[in-house]
Amino acid sequence: AQSVTQLGSHVSVSEGALVLLRCNYSSSVPPYLFWYVQYPNQGLQLLLKYTTGATLVKGINGFEAEFKKSETSFHLTKPSAHMSDAAEYFCAVSLNYGGSQGNLIFGKGTKLSVKP
Amino acid sequence: GAGVSQSPSNKVTEKGKDVELRCDPISGHTALYWYRQSLGQGLEFLIYFQGNSAPDKSGLPSDRFSAERTGGSVSTLTIQRTQQEDSAVYLCASSLTTGGQPQHFGDGTRLSIL
Repeated sequence: AQSVTQLGSHVSVSEGALVLLRCNYSSSVPPYLFWYVQYPNQGLQLLLKYTTGATLVKGINGFEAEFKKSETSFHLTKPSAHMSDAAEYFCAVSLNYGGSQGNLIFGKGTKLSVKP
Repeated sequence: GAGVSQSPSNKVTEKGKDVELRCDPISGHTALYWYRQSLGQGLEFLIYFQGNSAPDKSGLPSDRFSAERTGGSVSTLTIQRTQQEDSAVYLCASSLTTGGQPQHFGDGTRLSIL
């Protein structure tokens, strides 16, 4: 069975510091991997995704994530945090075929705080 | 509309009653998804629509739950004979193409069963 683990329910960084949000998955088949972001008082939105090809994927607002099969990880990073990055971030995985692509397994989320 | 719209935003009802939750996806989005988020739980997949058909409804927790989509647009999630464990935030999402993943989520309907 697939599962997603996000290490740390809360992460706090200073403005301008590196952001690193960790995500590990377990899957019996090569998965598709996603990061979603939920800004305060807004709905979830897709930040970036990995399906096939290049293992380093770039998303909106300067975020990127790298798929590391050997480590079963898909950590989210941003070189320099901005106050507007404060939000909750969710990692998700899906099987990579047919209608099951809509069936995402989500992690429990990591709330990112950015200190001035 | 500009985003995924869900109604009502909040619903309080008594145990045993039926409820209907509505989702208006972004105009032109062919794929529609329902998820729910219970207290202390992550987001759980319920059902996925491609147009008006549901190729994956494996997440519906019991036969009290059903969903339909008409005209390739609006979807309704119905919960019959509600139980207290049905209390959760029910989220709808849509995406432009089928065979993809949710792109935009609505703000959800917070359902409370007394």
